[in-house]
Amino acid sequence: AQSVTQLGSHVSVSEGALVLLRCNYSSSVPPYLFWYVQYPNQGLQLLLKYTSAATLVKGINGFEAEFKKSETSFHLTKPSAHMSDAAEYFCAVRMDSSYKLIFGSGTRLLVRP
Amino acid sequence: DTAVSQTPKYLVTQMGNDKSIKCEQNLGHDTMYWYKQDSKKFLKIMFSYNNKELIINETVPNRFSPKSPDKAHLNLHINSLELGDSAVYFCASGQSNYGYTFGSGTRLTVV
Repeated sequence: AQSVTQLGSHVSVSEGALVLLRCNYSSSVPPYLFWYVQYPNQGLQLLLKYTSAATLVKGINGFEAEFKKSETSFHLTKPSAHMSDAAEYFCAVRMDSSYKLIFGSGTRLLVRP
Repeated sequence: DTAVSQTPKYLVTQMGNDKSIKCEQNLGHDTMYWYKQDSKKFLKIMFSYNNKELIINETVPNRFSPKSPDKAHLNLHINSLELGDSAVYFCASGQSNYGYTFGSGTRLTVV
């Protein structure tokens, strides 16, 4: 079975500080991994995806994530947080060879001025 | 142009009523999905259709019934609404290896 775990339901950083949101997955097959962002009262927007090409994936808004097979991790980072980054972030994994995406429980990013 | 559009955006209704949520995508995707997001932001897949064929049918009360008249549309009908059905319902389209495109959601409140 495949699943995804996001460590930390809330992460708080100062504006300009490094953002690190953690995601670990379990998968019996090479995974497809995704990060989504949800702003208040909006739908989910795809930030970036790993599909077995480069292990360091760059996304929109300055975010990037690194796939580490040995650690079964796909952590999301951004060098310098901006107030507009405050949102809910979801990690997701494709479920086996099916059509399903399974989402983690989400991490709320708070950015302090 | 909105890629995945849902209507209505907000829906307030009484227990026992029947309601529908509509979804349309103009991305040319073959596969569409319904997800439920609860008050704790947890996202759970409910249904998926591929080119009008039901391919994912999770453990969901049979009061929920999806319908796909064509591959660009996926509607969700809910009978005999209960308080516990209150949530945000998201429609999405796309392939799981490329990622989905989500609609902006329908906030359902059952009173």
